Amino acid sequence: KAGVTQTPRYLIKTRGQQVTLSCSPISGHRSVSWYQQTPGQGLQFLFEYFSETQRNKGNFPGRFSGRQFSNSRSEMNVSTLELGDSALYLCASSSNRPGGDSTFGSGTRLTVV
Amino acid sequence: DQQVKQNSPSLSVQEGRISILNCDYTNSMFDYFLWYKKYPAEGPTFLISISSIKDKNEDGRFTVFLNKSAKHLSLHIVPSQPGDSAVYFCAASAGSGGSNYKLTFGKGTLLTVNP
Repeated sequence: KAGVTQTPRYLIKTRGQQVTLSCSPISGHRSVSWYQQTPGQGLQFLFEYFSETQRNKGNFPGRFSGRQFSNSRSEMNVSTLELGDSALYLCASSSNRPGGDSTFGSGTRLTVV
Repeated sequence: DQQVKQNSPSLSVQEGRISILNCDYTNSMFDYFLWYKKYPAEGPTFLISISSIKDKNEDGRFTVFLNKSAKHLSLHIVPSQPGDSAVYFCAASAGSGGSNYKLTFGKGTLLTVNP
C-alpha cells in the first residue's frame, strides 16, 4: 500500500513569506500529525487532526496552522516565516488504533533565507 | 523542559555484538513508549513499542525493557548489523494508547555498527 506522501520535498522561502506543506496519509488513516525536526530541539509535536478537526496542539505560535480535508489529506501553513522556522517538517498518519501504528512521511525540508 | 531524554548522542558497536540504547522520562503520565529508527532524508520508521503495563516486549532482534520505577527504558539489538546504523528515537505518549498524536520524542542516539 502507498505510504505517507509529503510535498514538496524541498522548499526555500524568504523571511516574511508564508508557506503551505501538504501531506497525504495512508489510505484509511484518519489521524494526521505534524512534527518539526531541528538539530537543536529534535522532533517536536505541532498538531494533530482527526476527521477534519484539530484534536491536539503543541506549543507553537499561531503562525503555525493546519487543516484536514474530508479525504484526510492535511495541509500545514506557516505565515510570516522566520529564519528559525528552517527545519524538516514531518507528517505522520495513523488509524488511531492503540499500539503505535503511525507511519511517517519523508518530510519537507524548509529553508528560510 | 525535556520530558524524554536520550543522554547518549552517539553509540558505536561492533557487528554481532549487542547494542543498548537508553531513554529516561520524567512525566509519570506517559503510559506508552515507542522506538523509531531514522535514516537521513527519510521519516522515522516505527520499530517497537511497549505499554506501561508490561516490562518487556520482544520482536526479533529488538527487545524493549521498561523500568517504571526508574522511569527508564532501553532498546536492545542483538545481534547488531551494519544496516542498523541510524538515528534511534525514543518516544512516549500519555493516554493515547501509543497512537501517533502528541508523541514526545527524545533527541535521538546515532548508532553506528562497524563491520
